[in-house]
Amino acid sequence: EDQVTQSPEALRLQEGESSSLNCSYTVSGLRGLFWYRQDPGKGPEFLFTLYSAGEEKEKERLKATLTKKESFLHITAPKPEDSATYLCAVQAGVANTGNQFYFGTGTSLTVIP
Amino acid sequence: GAVVSQHPSRVICKSGTSVKIECRSLDFQATTMFWYRQFPKKSLMLMATSNEGSKATYEQGVEKDKFLINHASLTLSTLTVTSAHPEDSSFYICSARDWTSGIYEQYFGPGTRLTVT
Repeated sequence: EDQVTQSPEALRLQEGESSSLNCSYTVSGLRGLFWYRQDPGKGPEFLFTLYSAGEEKEKERLKATLTKKESFLHITAPKPEDSATYLCAVQAGVANTGNQFYFGTGTSLTVIP
Repeated sequence: GAVVSQHPSRVICKSGTSVKIECRSLDFQATTMFWYRQFPKKSLMLMATSNEGSKATYEQGVEKDKFLINHASLTLSTLTVTSAHPEDSSFYICSARDWTSGIYEQYFGPGTRLTVT
């Protein structure tokens, strides 16, 4: 069964304390892995797409990496404004079909000043 | 680019009435749109997938007669919650994707908070 698991469920960091969020997946025919940020009461905001193992992408303090089984979202020297829920989603299946995203349950990140 | 809007952002309605939520892609043509439901502190639950000009595909357990989806154009999809009940109260989020340009990412709207009294 296709599955996406995120850990930890919640993470509290001191400002400047770097850490990583994990997204493990078991799907058939990975077409892409996506990271989103969601603030309370808002829709998810797109961060990164990773398509193949070994790929890395960076944006400000965030860096996403991908292996054949998992993805990490590394947060370097986080600031309080990085506090949010980070969602991982995996797209699997045949190209150009209505195949869905499988979402993880998210990691709630709190960065303390 | 890739902006998706939703309207309204919040709606309160009485039990038994119907509510329509609009989802628009503002700067791209959305060949596929998705509707999700999200409960507090939970992840997104896909309700249905719609392709422009065709009927929506509903996920298992989602009542298609209760949650009517119309993807009338390449920039607009609507979700109508018919005969709403308090248990339909939730955060509804749409997303859009453009297959034709090879964009695999889903871009999400800001969500609509529905409260049924």
